[in-house]
Amino acid sequence: EPEVTQTPSHQVTQMGQEVILRCVPISNHLYFYWYRQILGQKVEFLVSFYNNEISEKSEIFDDQFSVERPDGSNFTLKIRSTKLEDSAMYFCASSEARRGVQFFGPGTRLTVL
Amino acid sequence: GENVEQHPSTLSVQEGDSAVIKCTYSDSASNYFPWYKQELGKRPQLIIDIRSNVGEKKDQRIAVTLNKTAKHFSLHITETQPEDSAVYFCAATSQTGFQKLVFGTGTRLLVSP
Repeated sequence: EPEVTQTPSHQVTQMGQEVILRCVPISNHLYFYWYRQILGQKVEFLVSFYNNEISEKSEIFDDQFSVERPDGSNFTLKIRSTKLEDSAMYFCASSEARRGVQFFGPGTRLTVL
Repeated sequence: GENVEQHPSTLSVQEGDSAVIKCTYSDSASNYFPWYKQELGKRPQLIIDIRSNVGEKKDQRIAVTLNKTAKHFSLHITETQPEDSAVYFCAATSQTGFQKLVFGTGTRLLVSP
């Protein structure tokens, strides 16, 4: 069964550094999402992406965040200058249709020191 | 925007008992309600979902009910087993936009043998 994959599984970085989190959505899916989950808390929406454009973003997704689909398979989340409060698990998700089921990747745990 | 409340935050049952988790939502335009199970350190996995044109859906030991008038939906697990132990998240999404999922705060279910 196809799955969403993410790399790395764990990223440790210093405050102020840039990080890029990578995702490979399920191959025939067209809608992509990033969510984050601070330890022990609920999953929060960050951004949705379709047709090479951001379709919706949350208040969390400020100018320090960007997303890109650099090729036909990868979907990336970049944080330009990380803060301590960016420490969280970041999940990528994809869906086949606009209102289709969202399948989540295994997550990248980001630790900002 | 949409807000999803979830109760209880923790639920302990004996193996074989039933478990019920309840969620309420605020946006009457929401029309899709998935439930995700998240085991420790793993990705959220869809276990069942319901759309607003039906009131109940069942899949083996798991069922979801939806009351659109009251704006609440519930997850029912019968004949619980230790492997059902996990955190369960409800979510809701609106007809508008690109189906951003708004999650509840999660319920930690512990099934004791």
